[in-house]
Amino acid sequence: DGGITQSPKYLFRKEGQNVTLSCEQNLNHDAMYWYRQDPGQGLRLIYYSQIVNDFQKGDIAEGYSVSREKKESFPLTVTSAQKNPTAFYLCASSSRTGMNTGELFFGEGSRLTVL
Amino acid sequence: ILNVEQSPQSLHVQEGDSTNFTCSFPSSNFYALHWYRWETAKSPEALFVMTLNGDEKKKGRISATLNTKEGYSYLYIKGSQPEDSATYLCALNQAGTALIFGKGTTLSVSS
Repeated sequence: DGGITQSPKYLFRKEGQNVTLSCEQNLNHDAMYWYRQDPGQGLRLIYYSQIVNDFQKGDIAEGYSVSREKKESFPLTVTSAQKNPTAFYLCASSSRTGMNTGELFFGEGSRLTVL
Repeated sequence: ILNVEQSPQSLHVQEGDSTNFTCSFPSSNFYALHWYRWETAKSPEALFVMTLNGDEKKKGRISATLNTKEGYSYLYIKGSQPEDSATYLCALNQAGTALIFGKGTTLSVSS
């Protein structure tokens, strides 16, 4: 089935450790996105990529890094510089890029808890 | 950072009630307005992508309208059912930017 797979679903880490969240899609979409959700907040954009080997910062990129070496994959690293990393992370993809963001297709999310 | 506002934050209705929610957004550089439904333990799923002022879209008992000049969209659910219980997100696509989401409206429908 076509879709977006995020892993792991749940992740516990100690403070100061880097963590990488995986996001893979087999929808042949050009654009991929990472959002973060905190209680009482909307989805906030961390990073997005419209094409392989290119990505842009979203509203809350500090303390995060990404790569886009393959069209199918857009991993997110939560670094030790991220001051408040405990959150729910959603990956999404879209077939359109540029001015018109097409409908987003989402993964099921990864919940990161930093102890 | 521009603001996309949704109201109410949450509401609880009885099965069979009709209900509606509001999404407000800045009207400058408008390109598209998205609505998503997010059920517990599932991924958000797109309901509508609306681009034209005055647009009205319908999917079963759910419909949405769009006013780009005044910067608002309404989502209507006719005859709510328990399976409609979810968080409904709206998101703004301004020209050349990624989607900006509102905080959502959480609907609970009891039978």
